[in-house]
Amino acid sequence: GAGVSQSPRYKVAKRGQDVALRCDPISGHVSLFWYQQALGQGPEFLTYFQNEAQLDKSGLPSDRFFAERPEGSVSTLKIQRTQQEDSAVYLCASSGPARQGNYGYTFGSGTRLTVV
Amino acid sequence: SQKIEQNSEALNIQEGKTATLTCNYTNYSPAYLQWYRQDPGRGPVFLLLIRENEKEKRKERLKVTFDTTLKQSLFHITASQPADSATYLCALVYSSASKIIFGSGTRLSIRP
Repeated sequence: GAGVSQSPRYKVAKRGQDVALRCDPISGHVSLFWYQQALGQGPEFLTYFQNEAQLDKSGLPSDRFFAERPEGSVSTLKIQRTQQEDSAVYLCASSGPARQGNYGYTFGSGTRLTVV
Repeated sequence: SQKIEQNSEALNIQEGKTATLTCNYTNYSPAYLQWYRQDPGRGPVFLLLIRENEKEKRKERLKVTFDTTLKQSLFHITASQPADSATYLCALVYSSASKIIFGSGTRLSIRP
């Protein structure tokens, strides 16, 4: 597609519920990133994929967070047993080249997760 | 760990003036420094990138400087317009294979 697409746009979950957030990157983009953005803060890195390989998951805050990209295109971020502190906007970004530092990322509009 | 500081308070500028946003960082200088624009309810949009061996980069009304001695980048918008109102994020990259680290952003308001 023309841009990075994320769904759902908004998600309200009851505490303890599992959620799955989807990201469709730009077609052909090798690199895919997930970030978490709290209100009034900058995006915080969660995890990075190069094709289907998860090369860095150092930012995942706990073992309740899990991400996958099985075929090297669409990615899913799963949060198990959601807690109130998980409430945030979850941003997905993709980048064409495998080495991404010297290129800008293209971000989706994010999924706003509210845990009640 | 690396710390990135941007103007925490909102910046209010009269239309037509130059807006200058500051990004300071600690520890090691990054290989690349990027600036993004973020509007409410949207993801960040890439604007400009500057490399550690570059002093200045321009794109239309935008100018970025990078001073590795001061550990600072300045982001300028000349002839500012109300449509430039947004949050601007500074982001650091330490190598071409590493993740991007974002600052908390500065909210810019341009009044007519």
